[in-house]
Amino acid sequence: QVQLVQSGAEVKKPGASVKVSCKASGYTFTSYGISWVRQAPGQGLEWMGWISAYNGNTNYAQKLQGRVTMTTDTSTSTAYMELRSLRSDDTAVYYCARASGSGDYFDYWGQGTLVTVSS
Amino acid sequence: EIVLTQSPGTLSLSPGERATLSCRASQSVSSSYLAWYQQKPGQAPRLLIYGASSRATGIPDRFSGSGSGTDFTLTISRLEPEDFAVYYCQQFWAFGQGTKLEIK
Repeated sequence: QVQLVQSGAEVKKPGASVKVSCKASGYTFTSYGISWVRQAPGQGLEWMGWISAYNGNTNYAQKLQGRVTMTTDTSTSTAYMELRSLRSDDTAVYYCARASGSGDYFDYWGQGTLVTVSS
Repeated sequence: EIVLTQSPGTLSLSPGERATLSCRASQSVSSSYLAWYQQKPGQAPRLLIYGASSRATGIPDRFSGSGSGTDFTLTISRLEPEDFAVYYCQQFWAFGQGTKLEIK
């Protein structure tokens, strides 16, 4: 069965960086993209970006351009999301999700990783 | 940039009733690319509907989606206790703000 398993919770200081991993299993990793979505406490869902696991092409949300980098390691079927220059409003649960072939919907989700930014 | 607006913000209904949730886009979108998700507290979102009207794997047939252009609807025909949750519509990089379905 398809599974996406994310790394554990992180606590970071303002200005630091965080890197969250998402290990996929149960399907051919390079046949789908991975999107990252975050959710601040008590808030809705915010799309952060997408990466093709086939060729590494990326598409980032404009508001995060320059601070976010998404990568994949096809040898381990793992996707990564790094966010730099963290601010308190980056505190959120970060989800990875498998994107459909056309990238328009997300059919399997990771369990989420809480990133807390606090001095 | 497409903005998705969901209504109502909160919907209070009883088990067995019919729920109708709305999602309006700021500009016409292809119905091929409209999805709905359910999220329960402490859980990741779950895909319910894609392509505006196709149910995802394992989703009960009491959930149905419809619409085109700028107006889309998620209907739950007869509410079960486990259906009370927050529902989001989505089109590519845009999510609606969510509708909370609560028990009356």
